[in-house]
Amino acid sequence: DADVTQTPRNRITKTGKRIMLECSQTKGHDRMYWYRQDPGLGLRLIYYSFDVKDINKGEISDGYSVSRQAQAKFSLSLESAIPNQTALYFCATSDLAVDTQYFGPGTRLTVL
Amino acid sequence: SQQGEEDPQALSIQEGENATMNCSYKTSINNLQWYRQNSGRGLVHLILIRSNEREKHSGRLRVTLDTSKKSSSLLITASRAADTASYFCATVRAYGQNFVFGPGTRLSVLP
Repeated sequence: DADVTQTPRNRITKTGKRIMLECSQTKGHDRMYWYRQDPGLGLRLIYYSFDVKDINKGEISDGYSVSRQAQAKFSLSLESAIPNQTALYFCATSDLAVDTQYFGPGTRLTVL
Repeated sequence: SQQGEEDPQALSIQEGENATMNCSYKTSINNLQWYRQNSGRGLVHLILIRSNEREKHSGRLRVTLDTSKKSSSLLITASRAADTASYFCATVRAYGQNFVFGPGTRLSVLP
């Protein structure tokens, strides 16, 4: 089984809808991250969490919120989806803040 | 602005040839990492080089780091069609929002 899983893998939704993307990990890592990837722009950090009680905004947090329900679970929500949030979303984990990151398979989100 | 910038944006070579990708960055780092992404999939870690290291090898991969020039290079020797992917450098600082990825280099290895 994969160490970092994301659900759903694909989602098509309409403008204004609330969407939640979920991430679970079995690596036992404290640190979890949410990124979005747009063509030609690489990955941009949305939010990161260094433990259950520590959540931090990343480079592009506007329009997103997160919840760290447990060490193993980190969810990303789009409260009111808009078309320019169409992107590939990745969850990642790491043991230390400067350590290797382990990525989930991604969620392809389309907002119509 | 992004910390790391890869060069070239795209690279096409024949199987068996070597591929070199470069990464430049702007501020001091704790380490620099290279990742590979097959089309539409999650990134996979390839190699990590710390700021006090100058060169590192892993199989067919060779990474160099020049902190005075704030640059790194990834060399893939004897490339294979399976090496076709996008390659990203990530610069890692010791504090704060510390992981920053560049836009990537798309490598195509032709059989």
